[in-house]
Amino acid sequence: AQRVTQPEKLLSVFKGAPVELKCNYSYSGSPELFWYVQYSRQRLQLLLRHISRESIKGFTADLNKGETSFHLKKPFAQEEDSAMYYCALSGHGNDMRFGAGTRLTVKP
Amino acid sequence: DGGITQSPKYLFRKEGQNVTLSCEQNLNHDAMYWYRQDPGQGLRLIYYSQIVNDFQKGDIAEGYSVSREKKESFPLTVTSAQKNPTAFYLCASSTFIAGGLTNTGELFFGEGSRLTVL
Repeated sequence: AQRVTQPEKLLSVFKGAPVELKCNYSYSGSPELFWYVQYSRQRLQLLLRHISRESIKGFTADLNKGETSFHLKKPFAQEEDSAMYYCALSGHGNDMRFGAGTRLTVKP
Repeated sequence: DGGITQSPKYLFRKEGQNVTLSCEQNLNHDAMYWYRQDPGQGLRLIYYSQIVNDFQKGDIAEGYSVSREKKESFPLTVTSAQKNPTAFYLCASSTFIAGGLTNTGELFFGEGSRLTVL
């Protein structure tokens, strides 16, 4: 069975500090991993996907198959990064499963 | 105005009644999804559909039913068999990578429907 675990429900950092949101997964095949973000009063939206190896809004995430992790990182957090972040996994059946989410607060 | 629309936004139901939540998209997307969101539990997959007239159960399908008679519509019925139906429900859609049947992975979400059972 596929599962996504986000161990931190809440994460608080100061502006300019590095931030890392943790995500671990379990899946028997080769998964596709994503990070979604929900800003206040906005719809949930895609932030980045591992297959693109892109940096969006300064965020990056590396898929570590050995540790089955896909942590989201940003070297210098901004106040506008405050949001709810969800890690998600898609299997071969085109399904998409989400973790419980981490609420990030960036303090001034 | 392209997008994915859920209705109603708020819905109240008496115990023992079935209720249907609407989800419509005009994005010409192939796949559609229903999630349930409860505090502290994230989004849990109820049902999803990759093509018309076909759908698969997610992790918490018991007490729910869906249909996919049209590409643009994927209604969710919360039946009286659902033990704890009070929740926030999110619908999403996505498309396949050109030429194939693999999801792009980018889901577009509706604004959600909040169901309260009295």
